[in-house]
Amino acid sequence: DAGVIQSPRHEVTEMGQEVTLRCKPISGHDYLFWYRQTMMRGLELLIYFNNNVPIDDSGMPEDRFSAKMPNASFSTLKIQPSEPRDSAVYFCASSLYRDSYNEQFFGPGTRLTVL
Amino acid sequence: LAKTTQPISMDSYEGQEVNITCSHNNIATNDYITWYQQFPSQGPRFIIQGYKTKVTNEVASLFIPADRKSSTLSLPRVSLSDTAVYYCLVGDSLAGNNRKLIWGLGTSLAVNP
Repeated sequence: DAGVIQSPRHEVTEMGQEVTLRCKPISGHDYLFWYRQTMMRGLELLIYFNNNVPIDDSGMPEDRFSAKMPNASFSTLKIQPSEPRDSAVYFCASSLYRDSYNEQFFGPGTRLTVL
Repeated sequence: LAKTTQPISMDSYEGQEVNITCSHNNIATNDYITWYQQFPSQGPRFIIQGYKTKVTNEVASLFIPADRKSSTLSLPRVSLSDTAVYYCLVGDSLAGNNRKLIWGLGTSLAVNP
């Protein structure tokens, strides 16, 4: 398996623009997680899905952020409108529930810069 | 709500054993405690996971006391390549079988020659 795939790897945009980050989880995994990482705030869990259903979205910063998982092999994280403080590395991860879904496999991340 | 606390940074030398402790109260009674390693410009990588007592794999050991209010990641004979940030991950209860995942803030380990 190719692992978790994220696109784009780098995104530079201007304040006010819409940004869409994409993720393809590992085939067969039933949990998908979106994270944000910055120097100031560290690693933050934004939202996670189980079988395409959002379970905990309490980490989503505000209404400008939305995440969807239309099927088991694809998820998006959208920011509209984007702001400079959204600049960060966004990671997607997936896992398979056995005894625990804490063994998460992370993608390479998308580095977002909002000017 | 569960909360985690781990040291911000640690220093060590090659060949030494390093122990990183994470304190976590009010975690879900049937959830695992997990540790991750992260190198610069990469996503975190799973190291080890346990429920109680001691777990060992080819990379590390994990010690969990009976009260499960803390866990200690032990890295034997560290090398320069172990320089990384180490995170603990625990779960708190949500409705049904789902968990609220609580990540530590990470411990930056620097291994010196």
